[in-house]
Amino acid sequence: AQRVTQPEKLLSVFKGAPVELKCNYSYSGSPELFWYVQYSRQRLQLLLRHISRESIKGFTADLNKGETSFHLKKPFAQEEDSAMYYCALKGVGGATNKLIFGTGTLLAVQP
Amino acid sequence: GAVVSQHPSWVICKSGTSVKIECRSLDFQATTMFWYRQFPKQSLMLMATSNEGSKATYEQGVEKDKFLINHASLTLSTLTVTSAHPEDSSFYICSARGTSGNSYNEQFFGPGTRLTVL
Repeated sequence: AQRVTQPEKLLSVFKGAPVELKCNYSYSGSPELFWYVQYSRQRLQLLLRHISRESIKGFTADLNKGETSFHLKKPFAQEEDSAMYYCALKGVGGATNKLIFGTGTLLAVQP
Repeated sequence: GAVVSQHPSWVICKSGTSVKIECRSLDFQATTMFWYRQFPKQSLMLMATSNEGSKATYEQGVEKDKFLINHASLTLSTLTVTSAHPEDSSFYICSARGTSGNSYNEQFFGPGTRLTVL
């Protein structure tokens, strides 16, 4: 079964410190992975997707098939990065449209 | 572009009544919309996939007679919680999948609807 695991419920760092939000997935084929972010009192929005290989707001995420991971990284955290971050895996087989979400990690950046 | 709205943003109802939640894609057409449920401090759980003009596909454990989904047009899907009970109280979120251009295959999320059943 496809599954997304985010082991940390809360990650607290100081401003300027590096950030790594962990995400592991279970799927034997070629996955399509996303990171979504939800700022306080705002809707969920796409942060980045692995197929774009882009950097958004200083965040990057590299797919590591050997470790089945898609960790989200930023070298220098900012206070405005404080939010809930969800890793998501696109469904495959008969469920190609849906997203499977991890449980989320709350990132708190302290001043 | 690619804005999804939900109405109402919050609703309080008595146990046993039915509540309808609307999800609209405002500036794009969405052949597929998704309904999620989010409990406090938990992740989004997909309830069903709604396809325009056809029956919704429900996830395992979701009662289709309890959560009625209608996707009658390319910009509107509705979720009706029938005979609501306090355990149905939750945050319901919809998303719509873009089908062309830069939004192709990306899901755009609505702001959510807070349902409280007394």
